[in-house]
Parts: sequence; C-alpha cells; structure tokens
Amino acid sequence: QSALTQPRSVSGSPGQSVTISCTGTSNDVGGYDYVSWYQQHPGRAPKLMIYDVTKRPLGVPDRFSGSKSGNTASLTISGLQAEDEADYYCCSYAGTYTVFGGGTNLIVL
Amino acid sequence: QVQLQESGPGLVKPSETLSLTCTVSGASINSYYWNWIRQPPGKGLEWIGYIFYSGSTKYNPSLKSRLTFSVDTSKNQVSLKLSSVTAADTAIYYCSSGYYTGKFDDWGQGTLVTVSS
Repeated sequence: QSALTQPRSVSGSPGQSVTISCTGTSNDVGGYDYVSWYQQHPGRAPKLMIYDVTKRPLGVPDRFSGSKSGNTASLTISGLQAEDEADYYCCSYAGTYTVFGGGTNLIVL
Repeated sequence: QVQLQESGPGLVKPSETLSLTCTVSGASINSYYWNWIRQPPGKGLEWIGYIFYSGSTKYNPSLKSRLTFSVDTSKNQVSLKLSSVTAADTAIYYCSSGYYTGKFDDWGQGTLVTVSS
C-alpha cells in the first residue's frame, strides 16, 4: 500500500486561511468516509483534529474543518494563528489496513 | 481521558525481537481498539496495526510477517513484538486508543527504539 500524497509544505500569514490536500485512491480516501487529520508539534505526540472526514473532537477549534471530493480530502484552517505552525498528517481507512499521508509542514509567516 | 504509557528497551540489536508494552489508565482495555503507530526520526507516521480486547488483530501488510500483538486485560496492557528487526525499524513507537477507522483519540508520549549493534 502507498502513503497518501500531501504537499511537503504550505504557508500562510496570521488571519489567513490555508488548505492542505491529501490524495489517495478509490481504495482508501475515495472508498470510505473515514479520513482523519492529525496535528503534530515538534517533540510531541500527534493530536486528532478531524475524523470521519468532517467531524471535530471536543476542544478542537472550529477554525479547523475537513472535506472530501473523490479521492482527495482537504483540511482547511481559517484565521491562522502562530500556534497552528506544525506538521499535519492525513489518515485514511482502506478496508484491511489504515494508511497515513507523508505529512505537510505548515509555516505561519 | 485515556492515558497511555509505552515501555520497553530503547536499544535492540539487529535480527533480534523488539518488544513493547502499552499500559492503559483511565479506561477499560475493553473499550477501544488499541493501535500501534511508529515514526522514524524526522519522518512521517506509519500505522503498524491494532488489537481489540477480544484478541482480534489487524496488521500493516508490510510488517505482518514479523508482528505479534497481545492483550492482557488483567493488567490493562497491550503488547507488541516485532521480530527480525533492522535499522529501518528505528523509530518512535506510539500506542493509541481509538477505532479501526483511523480515528486515534489518545496517544502515549511515544518511546524511541533504536536498532543498532
């Protein structure tokens, strides 16, 4: 199985919106509504930000939103804040296994 | 909130077996799927697999032949064994509570395992 495809890095200024894409296939992202997104700060464990494509766990700001179209899922962060600077990983169920994306480094300018 | 703590040797020799334990507190081991995820230094996340309290497992196909998971409900622990390790298995190993869908709710702090002679 191959990792999902994410851009290596994205950037935005405080207050702006950024979108991170996550491209898979019909066997994973396109085949199930089970895409999740994780935020990871350096030296820390990942944190669940979005699950089941669009759902936010309690405590995650509504500035974070998820969507999916075909084989590509997206994470949008609006009203960028300095503390949003981190690595972001998408993750998809693929029937008999689970697969992560390669990760995207978000830089807040 | 579920708390998870990984433990095990930080150094394993090539060709030997890597063994880790995840101790769960704040929740019953019967409540979730217990996933193992690893991250080589400076690289991305890789799903290793999960075990359910019943003993049902799912493994990453690329690791399946070398992996064994187990659960000890009396100690609220889950364990991982990875045999015939090489330097490519050097990584931070995390355990996580969640589901089979890729929803990983809570994570341990992770433990770095280095494979080296």
